[in-house]
Amino acid sequence: DAKTTQPTSMDCAEGRAANLPCNHSTISGNEYVYWYRQIHSQGPQYIIHGLKNNETNEMASLIITEDRKSSTLILPHATLRDTAVYYCIVRVLDSGGYQKVTFGIGTKLQVIP
Amino acid sequence: NAGVMQNPRHLVRRRGQEARLRCSPMKGHSHVYWYRQLPEEGLKFMVYLQKENIIDESGMPKERFSAEFPKEGPSILRIQQVVRGDSAAYFCASSPERTGELFFGEGSRLTVL
Repeated sequence: DAKTTQPTSMDCAEGRAANLPCNHSTISGNEYVYWYRQIHSQGPQYIIHGLKNNETNEMASLIITEDRKSSTLILPHATLRDTAVYYCIVRVLDSGGYQKVTFGIGTKLQVIP
Repeated sequence: NAGVMQNPRHLVRRRGQEARLRCSPMKGHSHVYWYRQLPEEGLKFMVYLQKENIIDESGMPKERFSAEFPKEGPSILRIQQVVRGDSAAYFCASSPERTGELFFGEGSRLTVL
């Protein structure tokens, strides 16, 4: 019952930008978009999150459409170490209520030498 | 600040035995989540706990599985009378509040012979 949909897999050439899309058409006004990745069965790792403005950190950029129904995670210069499963989830960020955090199957990104 | 610590990292049990998986959240975190991941599958939510309280156990199998997060000490996921289908990676995550970023451990890999 994940609230997001992502492509199952993608390839990206090493050194090029990897653009990973996510659809979250039923997102609520107080829900943030979070991205995590899981490298070869390690524990998932937080990447970035945002509400409506584009966000950038040392790992990636997050572009959220104006209607907030979809977003794109951008890895500007993909390396072989970026090969992983990338999960997009939506989550509230206020302490008033509880929301189960559900992960879908994610996108398996393969960076090719 | 140490991350989320899970132990054991690997556990082998014979059918019918008990498995106990431990999770020590990050310092200052009082919210713990457990997820199960079968080979080549995504993360499946199991249970969400706060100190001394189970908040959401909707993902827990009805029998043989239990979880606790006592006032002192780590969170424990207990599986009684294990079967081969319980073989999986079990991940724990913690957060400082009900919402927000989840910090994951490296997982405990259970193998049932």
